[in-house]
Amino acid sequence: EDQVTQSPEALRLQEGESSSLNCSYTVSGLRGLFWYRQDPGKGPEFLFTLYSAGEEKEKERLKATLTKKESFLHITAPKPEDSATYLCAVRNNAGKSTFGDGTTLTVKP
Amino acid sequence: DGGITQSPKYLFRKEGQNVTLSCEQNLNHDAMYWYRQDPGQGLRLIYYSQIVNDFQKGDIAEGYSVSREKKESFPLTVTSAQKNPTAFYLCASSIGRGTSLETQYFGPGTRLLVL
Repeated sequence: EDQVTQSPEALRLQEGESSSLNCSYTVSGLRGLFWYRQDPGKGPEFLFTLYSAGEEKEKERLKATLTKKESFLHITAPKPEDSATYLCAVRNNAGKSTFGDGTTLTVKP
Repeated sequence: DGGITQSPKYLFRKEGQNVTLSCEQNLNHDAMYWYRQDPGQGLRLIYYSQIVNDFQKGDIAEGYSVSREKKESFPLTVTSAQKNPTAFYLCASSIGRGTSLETQYFGPGTRLLVL
């Protein structure tokens, strides 16, 4: 059974304090690893898809990286508007997606 | 504007009542999905459909039913058999299986509450 574990559950940062969120996974044939941002009471918003180990993608203050066992979402100089829950998901060879429980990020001004 | 719409935003269900959540997309996506999200937890798959007139059970299908009569629409019915329906329900779509473009895009969600 595929598994996704995200850590930490919650992360509080000061504005400008860079950090990383972790997504550890086990999957039967990785077809893609996805990062989403979710604001309270809203649907997840797509951020990145990573397909193979060593791949990296960037968007503004966010950078996602992938190894064979985990993915990191690096946040550089975060701003209060980056506060949200970040979800990680993997898709296996059968096309099934498994989501982690998310990391709730709070950035204080 | 292209996207996924869900309605209503809030839905109240009485004991023994069936309720239907609407999901529509105009992205021309073949695949559509329903997820349930409980507080502090990740998304769990209820049902998914890869093409019109075909759908498959996900991990927690008991107490739910779906139909896929049109490419654009994938309504979810929460039946009286679902004993703990209070949750946030999310609909998603993707271009289709068998391609590398399998990123799922989500609607705004429907929050279901039991009276």
